[in-house]
Amino acid sequence: ETGVTQTPRHLVMGMTNKKSLKCEQHLGHNAMYWYKQSAKKPLELMFVYSLEERVENNSVPSRFSPECPNSSHLFLHLHTLQPEDSALYLCASSQDPDRAAAYEQYFGPGTRLTVT
Amino acid sequence: EDQVTQSPEALRLQEGESSSLNCSYTVSGLRGLFWYRQDPGKGPEFLFTLYSAGEEKEKERLKATLTKKESFLHITAPKPEDSATYLCAVSGSARQLTFGSGTQLTVLP
Repeated sequence: ETGVTQTPRHLVMGMTNKKSLKCEQHLGHNAMYWYKQSAKKPLELMFVYSLEERVENNSVPSRFSPECPNSSHLFLHLHTLQPEDSALYLCASSQDPDRAAAYEQYFGPGTRLTVT
Repeated sequence: EDQVTQSPEALRLQEGESSSLNCSYTVSGLRGLFWYRQDPGKGPEFLFTLYSAGEEKEKERLKATLTKKESFLHITAPKPEDSATYLCAVSGSARQLTFGSGTQLTVLP
């Protein structure tokens, strides 16, 4: 595997379910990100991890819970979601912007989430 | 608060018809401006980073330029495979990327 991978690619869940999204990066980066992309709206940054520590949490509801066990893996745990949470969830990785001159983010293919 | 506005929202070109996409931004202390390409159902693909006004970068039929207030993505003699949504993002003092809504480009054969 190369680049950034995400599983599953598609997920349909009920409002009472609990599920997790997984992201893995093979680029040797030390920062990872979760974004939400809804139709006709800009990408919304949800969480940032740098060196496995959460450095940003942009007022995301507690029904979304991130986990970063090491610099290569990132999870997004989902529980009691709402229909308006249906969107494309994107994972990205980069070098830490405070420690590298080049810190462009590389994205995975995304997980298309539908909440019924 | 950093802001990015992209125009037009959608652009239809005939194959070979050159044009430009605009990205206007306001940011506190620009660290970098990024261009991405996104195909339907896929994640954004990194194209360019521009760091300072006057900088230009090229890749195949694409050329990105940067001023103190905006960036342009010039597409020369586009082909149908250039059809995609092009996203612009800026990084300022907050370190995060702020994205625009994108320009959806369609190149007709």
